[in-house]
Amino acid sequence: DAKTTQPTSMDCAEGRAANLPCNHSTISGNEYVYWYRQIHSQGPQYIIHGLKNNETNEMASLIITEDRKSSTLILPHATLRDTAVYYCIVRVEYGNKLVFGAGTILRVKS
Amino acid sequence: DAGVIQSPRHEVTEMGQEVTLRCKPISGHDYLFWYRQTMMRGLELLIYFNNNVPIDDSGMPEDRFSAKMPNASFSTLKIQPSEPRDSAVYFCASRARRVNEKLFFGSGTQLSVL
Repeated sequence: DAKTTQPTSMDCAEGRAANLPCNHSTISGNEYVYWYRQIHSQGPQYIIHGLKNNETNEMASLIITEDRKSSTLILPHATLRDTAVYYCIVRVEYGNKLVFGAGTILRVKS
Repeated sequence: DAGVIQSPRHEVTEMGQEVTLRCKPISGHDYLFWYRQTMMRGLELLIYFNNNVPIDDSGMPEDRFSAKMPNASFSTLKIQPSEPRDSAVYFCASRARRVNEKLFFGSGTQLSVL
């Protein structure tokens, strides 16, 4: 599976949009981009995933560039409860392993 | 559904003792995963099962670690003998068989080996 690169940490003001970038320049055509987050002392939680089209659900939006070499997770109105480590993961469609990197620590501040 | 259930929530033991961690996956899920999380190494996949059969145990650190899944609703991760460097949070996760199904994690077991 392709490797991903994320910033170590980011800050965001409460109520503002949080935009978390992820670089996956070696992604293959059959690899999906997944986002999970881990709130302190809890297990990771699924957020969203996509292949090449932009995706949106009740939690977030995922914007994937046309060349698929990078993506951005958008939390439209960040709250203090969104403070967590956010993991960007690339995995083949039928792959079973989900390999977590270091992720981005997002701190939402009031 | 109650989600993935792990027990115990916290375990404190002394070096050399046997430790058994337990996991009950979500009913109907075909895949079960064991992860370990430390500050130094992050989240590491130890082993995963499909339909109760171990598929990939390449992440299991040593022979001291073993995992079993005797039926679809129960799995154990055993460390014998335990060492201080095994101290970590151990997560169990499960998912359904369908393609691109999301992974559901339990709350984890915080293991401290003194």
